[in-house]
Amino acid sequence: GENVEQHPSTLSVQEGDSAVIKCTYSDSASNYFPWYKQELGKRPQLIIDIRSNVGEKKDQRIAVTLNKTAKHFSLHITETQPEDSAVYFCAASTAKGNEKLTFGTGTRLTIIP
Amino acid sequence: DAGITQSPRHKVTETGTPVTLRCHQTENHRYMYWYRQDPGHGLRLIHYSYGVKDTDKGEVSDGYSVSRSKTEDFLLTLESATSSQTSVYFCAISDPTRTSGRYEQYFGPGTRLTVT
Repeated sequence: GENVEQHPSTLSVQEGDSAVIKCTYSDSASNYFPWYKQELGKRPQLIIDIRSNVGEKKDQRIAVTLNKTAKHFSLHITETQPEDSAVYFCAASTAKGNEKLTFGTGTRLTIIP
Repeated sequence: DAGITQSPRHKVTETGTPVTLRCHQTENHRYMYWYRQDPGHGLRLIHYSYGVKDTDKGEVSDGYSVSRSKTEDFLLTLESATSSQTSVYFCAISDPTRTSGRYEQYFGPGTRLTVT
């Protein structure tokens, strides 16, 4: 089955700097890659996703890049703000109709004011 | 947030007792999922359903069973709870038949279960 590895497990950045979280996946058939943000005590919330027919996708300060050849994808947050502090999860799916997601183990991002 | 509720939100139970968690949705989404979340493991799929009475196992299904008799409800049962099942349980929904957002999964608020 699919295996998703996520790094780093913790990340601290100064407010205003950029943050990058990286994930690798094992199943070359995976074609859907979402990112979730989870604040303390809350549910995971989808913040951005990308399909395998696209190399990059942006939404304001958030971007995701995908390298299918190397089987890795990354989340980029620019101009970080205190409200970006949370745990971020990447995931991968083959999206063949059952849409089962395999998640990474999460990255705790702390923005230092 | 999508119309997903979970009940109970918190539960403490003793080892060996049966426990049932309920997920209820008002979105008429076809797929429903149960995940558990533990430190260092992220979210792991327990079981999922792709329609009424249609269910399948995820990666950590041992010790759990599910049922879906109505589109809106998905039940997770621990037949005989063990301390290793202490966790936060999340329900999620998706609908691949939608014309937009077909792959997106939306999560419920979670249930914190403690088995003593």
